[in-house]
Amino acid sequence: DGGITQSPKYLFRKEGQNVTLSCEQNLNHDAMYWYRQDPGQGLRLIYYSQIVNDFQKGDIAEGYSVSREKKESFPLTVTSAQKNPTAFYLCASKQGTGGYNEQFFGPGTRLTVL
Amino acid sequence: GEDVEQSLFLSVREGDSSVINCTYTDSSSTYLYWYKQEPGAGLQLLTYIFSNMDMKQDQRLTVLLNKKDKHLSLRIADTQTGDSAIYFCAESLSGGSYIPTFGRGTSLIVHP
Repeated sequence: DGGITQSPKYLFRKEGQNVTLSCEQNLNHDAMYWYRQDPGQGLRLIYYSQIVNDFQKGDIAEGYSVSREKKESFPLTVTSAQKNPTAFYLCASKQGTGGYNEQFFGPGTRLTVL
Repeated sequence: GEDVEQSLFLSVREGDSSVINCTYTDSSSTYLYWYKQEPGAGLQLLTYIFSNMDMKQDQRLTVLLNKKDKHLSLRIADTQTGDSAIYFCAESLSGGSYIPTFGRGTSLIVHP
């Protein structure tokens, strides 16, 4: 079965700790994305990557970092510099960069910082 | 203001039609989308419409686009309890690498 996996589904961390969220896809998609979702808010773009070894900042990149060393993997690190990290994080991928290409989403990781 | 706006809640009775509305600000939007999110899950693309179209129908779903008013709507015919979810409107632009900009989402509640 092709798809996007995110792990873990729930993650708890103490304030001040860095944490890395996993995103893996076996769809052979070129582009991958990270979004943050807060209650009553739309999705806000954190980072995206359209090709291996390259990535771009989204609208709310401060306090986050990413890497794209492999086509199938796009991990997101939430650093201690992120002031309000508790949120639902969604990873997505897309075959190409056209508007008609469907963006597929993973099931999400809910991060709670205590 | 927000690029994409939609009302936060809609409540309908099972079997009725639901109409979810969305307005967007960028007149150069080339693709407009409707996504569905069930509780605790990721988003699923329901349908999209290219900006040179006025209407698109797909089974129980009808999308209407009014370019003059920058208004997009999603009509769900014969709404079922399984349609209860959050529905997101999104737009993408050619100059923005076609990365969707999402609205806040409309929570659709279907009563038996």
